[in-house]
Order: sequence, then C-alpha cells, then structure tokens
Amino acid sequence: QQQVKQSPQSLIVQKGGISIINCAYENTAFDYFPWYQQFPGKGPALLIAIRPDVSEKKEGRFTISFNKSAKQFSLHIMDSQPGDSATYFCAAREGGYNKLIFGAGTRLAVHP
Amino acid sequence: GAGVSQSPSNKVTEKGKDVELRCDPISGHTALYWYRQSLGQGLEFLIYFQGNSAPDKSGLPSDRFSAERTGGSVSTLTIQRTQQEDSAVYLCASSPQTGTVGSYEQYFGPGTRLTVT
Repeated sequence: QQQVKQSPQSLIVQKGGISIINCAYENTAFDYFPWYQQFPGKGPALLIAIRPDVSEKKEGRFTISFNKSAKQFSLHIMDSQPGDSATYFCAAREGGYNKLIFGAGTRLAVHP
Repeated sequence: GAGVSQSPSNKVTEKGKDVELRCDPISGHTALYWYRQSLGQGLEFLIYFQGNSAPDKSGLPSDRFSAERTGGSVSTLTIQRTQQEDSAVYLCASSPQTGTVGSYEQYFGPGTRLTVT
C-alpha cells in the first residue's frame, strides 16, 4: 500500500519557470513532511520540511504548500534553473515513529 | 562537519554470498536509519536505531537481513545468502536524539550500490 502518492513521475520545465510537484497522503497521524533532492549517484539531501500546523513554508526559491484538510502538500520551485535538475522525493513521518515514508519520486529536468 | 559516510560505495557479489555494508553517522547523532532504494524507485525503510533502545526492525524484508550498531555509532547492515532482488542502493541516515531540536531531520549518506550477479 502506497502511503504517500507523488506526482508527476517526471516533469520538464523551462529555465525561469515554476516547477510544481504534488504529494497526497491518507494517514492523519503523519506529523512531519520533508522534501528531499537527489542528484545521480548521490544520497538524498534534505531540502525543506513542514509541520501540519503551518500552511506554507518558504526557503529561498523553494516553497512547501500544505493543505491539511485535503491531505495534500506540494513543492514549488520558483525561477527554476538547470542546476535544479534532479529527482525530488516527498516524505512523511508518522507521529510516535521515526521512519520516513517516501513518495516514488519526481524526475525534474529544467531546460535552458 | 563531516556528513554520514558509507562504505563500500559499490559492491558486486555473487548470488548466495554474504555482504556487509558499513555506515558512519554524523558525530553526535544518536539515531541511525537504513533505507533501500531500488532502481528508479523511492526509498524503503529497513531498520532504525535510537541510542540503547531496541531497534525498530519492522522494515527488514526477510531474516537474511540484519543490522548492528556498535557503541552507539557505526552500524553494519548484513545480507546473508544474497539474491538478485537484493540489488539496490542501500542508504544510511542519521539524526539528532529524539526529542531534541532537529530530531526529525534525517541526513543521508551517499549510499552503497549493491549488485548481485
């Protein structure tokens, strides 16, 4: 059973555009939602994270929007750059446990 | 400071052989996790260690998989009698002690790419 559903599977954006990746979940016990960025041959790097008591968090060009009632959250990358080309994973942590449940990933390509 | 380190970076083994993968967490981090990433897939939780508490082994796929953490620092993931379906990247992560600031944040190492032939 896929607890965190991520879409799209792949995304192509022009330089300067906005990249949007979406995730949905069912488990209301999730209490922490991070996004990770992974380049080929590297481990995932923590990008930005949000708790369910906040509807939006912004760090530089990266913004998480969180909709608790819809059980959805999304990553927005503003002014996308070719260097942002990577695979992005959303994840969720269940309160009381420490493991992260990951989405299947989105491969982003930013074309110059 | 130094991040999470893993060794070897690549391991090729024959089906049926045992392998050991090593993880060195960030200094001072008491929580340590192992995940598995199959080709083109998301990460799958395997096992979690926190201090001296009993590990959470709920993600281990079979009894061929085991892990140890010695002295609260370095961890070894052992796969016995490897199968071709074990081929994947094995990732280790660490985080500060549960209940402390930043304890939810997991920092990953570069992974070990295991290929079973």
